[in-house]
Amino acid sequence: KAGVTQTPRYLIKTRGQQVTLSCSPISGHRSVSWYQQTPGQGLQFLFEYFSETQRNKGNFPGRFSGRQFSNSRSEMNVSTLELGDSALYLCASSSGGLGTEAFFGQGTRLTVV
Amino acid sequence: GENVEQHPSTLSVQEGDSAVIKCTYSDSASNYFPWYKQELGKRPQLIIDIRSNVGEKKDQRIAVTLNKTAKHFSLHITETQPEDSAVYFCAAFKSGTYKYIFGTGTRLKVLA
Repeated sequence: KAGVTQTPRYLIKTRGQQVTLSCSPISGHRSVSWYQQTPGQGLQFLFEYFSETQRNKGNFPGRFSGRQFSNSRSEMNVSTLELGDSALYLCASSSGGLGTEAFFGQGTRLTVV
Repeated sequence: GENVEQHPSTLSVQEGDSAVIKCTYSDSASNYFPWYKQELGKRPQLIIDIRSNVGEKKDQRIAVTLNKTAKHFSLHITETQPEDSAVYFCAAFKSGTYKYIFGTGTRLKVLA
């Protein structure tokens, strides 16, 4: 069974630009979550989608948005990029049940210059 | 707000010794506690987890203990090996929130 796939692996963007990251979950998984990982801050929750519905959102500005498609693939968009948005963005998929294991992708390393 | 505190931030042990990482969570309704291991440049991977109705769980050299009263859980690694060197994250999950609250990580170095 293929794991969680994130594309692209690396991105370099300029301040003010926007970016879209993609996540393909494990086949059969309907829940996709996004996390921002920065040194010293650990993993910070961005949002979670299940069957195309956002069920929860973290404390990030409105520049961060996401969506999920009918095939469970998810995208995350960041508009008007700031230097502080530089981070590793990880997505995780799970079956969505109570306390089920979240499987992480390799992440997308975003650098804003 | 909800948070998970994790200590220590770095831990160095000699090969063969034990390592203990501790986490404290704030939301008493949290009911699932996974531990993830992240090797350099790789994705976080689940190594062990525990639910709130269990006090202890063991899997070979790894064990997790949970004290719900103190809102405290710990990871224990015995007979450490160089390949145990990584960053370890604890997390807390509460049903209905659909999100994990992660600790800030512990960098474990096992010295050969």
